[in-house]
Amino acid sequence: EIVLTQSPATLSLSPGERATLSCRASQSVSSYLAWYQQKPGQAPRLLIYDASNRATGIPARFSGSGSGTDFTLTISSLEPEDFAVYYCQQRSSWPKVTFGGGTKVEIK
Amino acid sequence: QVQLVESGGGVVQPGRSLRLSCAASGFTFTSYPIHWVRQAPGKGLEWVAVISNDGRDKHYADSVKGRITISRDNSKNTLYVQVNSLRAEDTAVYYCARDRNVAAAVYFFDYWGQGTLVTVSS
Repeated sequence: EIVLTQSPATLSLSPGERATLSCRASQSVSSYLAWYQQKPGQAPRLLIYDASNRATGIPARFSGSGSGTDFTLTISSLEPEDFAVYYCQQRSSWPKVTFGGGTKVEIK
Repeated sequence: QVQLVESGGGVVQPGRSLRLSCAASGFTFTSYPIHWVRQAPGKGLEWVAVISNDGRDKHYADSVKGRITISRDNSKNTLYVQVNSLRAEDTAVYYCARDRNVAAAVYFFDYWGQGTLVTVSS
């Protein structure tokens, strides 16, 4: 099973600041990685797929980068609605896809 | 707009069975593979199962294989999952989620339902 490790577990930032979230895979997943945002009581929302492609309707302040084992989700300037939990997910080993443990972005 | 609405959750005793449903609308249901993803309370996400757009191809997570059956009724735009021999560790919110790709699944999930909570407890 491919294990995805997200860091940090919690990121405390202020609105307007830049957020950098990391996802590391236990083996190469090529570019087959997605990022999701989840707010309390809500379903996850697809932000990024194939490592760097924004999903439909996702603001340009969200960007993804990386390939192989190291990936980054960057939020260029945090808006109040961006404070949430973010998960990475790989599909390289389908059907045994896996998610990371999540990074919580909280208001400082 | 794309909508997925799950139903069928509740409190179930260990060892019993439960069938969840997911009603889809706002898109051509017959074109898309659909997945079940679950989330235990306060925990992360776990992919559970997928069914192809025509219902012929199915895959399951090892954690549920042998106890779970995914199916779909394309005439009713509805997805199902039957979970048997329920265990405490099956307690979770169960989401149905549409695959991002038409026809062949790519295992990225672009639309999700609001989820239905299954609690396994005596």
